[in-house]
Amino acid sequence: GNSVTQMEGPVTLSEEAFLTINCTYTATGYPSLFWYVQYPGEGLQLLLKATKADDKGSNKGFEATYRKETTSFHLEKGSVQVSDSAVYFCALGTGNQFYFGTGTSLTVIP
Amino acid sequence: EAGVAQSPRYKIIEKRQSVAFWCNPISGHATLYWYQQILGQGPKLLIQFQNNGVVDDSQLPKDRFSAERLKGVDSTLKIQPAKLEDSAVYLCASSLRLAGPRYTQYFGPGTRLTVL
Repeated sequence: GNSVTQMEGPVTLSEEAFLTINCTYTATGYPSLFWYVQYPGEGLQLLLKATKADDKGSNKGFEATYRKETTSFHLEKGSVQVSDSAVYFCALGTGNQFYFGTGTSLTVIP
Repeated sequence: EAGVAQSPRYKIIEKRQSVAFWCNPISGHATLYWYQQILGQGPKLLIQFQNNGVVDDSQLPKDRFSAERLKGVDSTLKIQPAKLEDSAVYLCASSLRLAGPRYTQYFGPGTRLTVL
């Protein structure tokens, strides 16, 4: 079946620290992979996506590379800011179905 | 551009009561999705519409949940009767087309349901 396993949180980092949130997936076929972000009090927003193996999605300083060999799509940012504090969801899309991970809460402290 | 609108934002009901949620997607978006997000879990897709037709409702508990999108624009999701385990945030999303992951989904703020 299809599923997404996401690194458990919460994660607390100091400002300017390096961020990695791990995400691995199980899928039949050739899925697309996504990272969504949910800021406090707001709805889910698409952060970045990759539609095929070796694609790199990037946005707002965040990056993730679609690794088919390791079935992974880890989210990284070189220097986090307080404004990056949010919940991050890894997701998989295949056919007309979408599967989300459980979310990782990130808090960045000044 | 206006985003996806949902109402109400919060709802508290007793078990066995009925409840309905409303969603208005982004103008021109043909595809509409309803998700259930239980606390501590990721969103789970319940049903998706293309215009006014159901594309997939395989995850919708049809004994108590129903949804419609009669004119291909706004949609309602109903629970009748509610159970304690239905306590969750109900998210609506829309996308321009139905083509799986090719089109970005835009999410509304959600309706938080508490069943007592």
